[in-house]
Amino acid sequence: QSALTQPASVSGSPGQSITISCTGTSSDVGGYNYVSWYQQHPGKAPKLMIYEVSNRPSGVSNRFSGSKSGNTASLTISGLQAEDEADYYCSSYTSSSTFYVFGTGTKVTVL
Amino acid sequence: QVQLQESGPGLVKPSETLSLTCAVSGYSISSGYYWGWIRQPPGKGLEWIGSIYHSGSTYYNPSLKSRVTISVDTSKNQFSLKLSSVTAADTAVYYCARDVRNFDYWGQGTLVTVSS
Repeated sequence: QSALTQPASVSGSPGQSITISCTGTSSDVGGYNYVSWYQQHPGKAPKLMIYEVSNRPSGVSNRFSGSKSGNTASLTISGLQAEDEADYYCSSYTSSSTFYVFGTGTKVTVL
Repeated sequence: QVQLQESGPGLVKPSETLSLTCAVSGYSISSGYYWGWIRQPPGKGLEWIGSIYHSGSTYYNPSLKSRVTISVDTSKNQFSLKLSSVTAADTAVYYCARDVRNFDYWGQGTLVTVSS
């Protein structure tokens, strides 16, 4: 089971919107609505930002939103802020024996 | 507030067994959900290792299955990871997390280095 494909880096200026893609297959992203997104600051544990494609846990800013089309999921950060600078990982449940697969990770830089 | 805390040796010799424990507070493992382990080699991405239900039912990443054992102790509200025959490739930060088809609560992580 290969990792889900994410762009290595995405950048934007404060206040702008950016979108991170997460491409898988019909066995994972395309086949289930168990896609989640995690934010990880350096030296810290990942934090759940989006679950089941588009749901935000309590306490997560509504500037973060998720969606899915076919085998590709997306995370959009609107009104980009300095504190959003971090690594972001997608994850999906998969029908393969791997059960869970993570994305390759995207470094978000706020210019 | 659910909290998880990993503990265990930070240095393990090659070919030996890595052992970690995750103590859970703010939620009784016996109440349900799966509980999992995830690792992250330095500078690299996340890899799911395996998960366990309070009943003891487990499922593992096939790439590690032959070397992994996850167990649960409901009386202590904790679960554990054992990874045998470790090599330098097993050097990573190991996280425990609650598995609800996503990972909603995480421990802070513990770095385990495999070196002689």
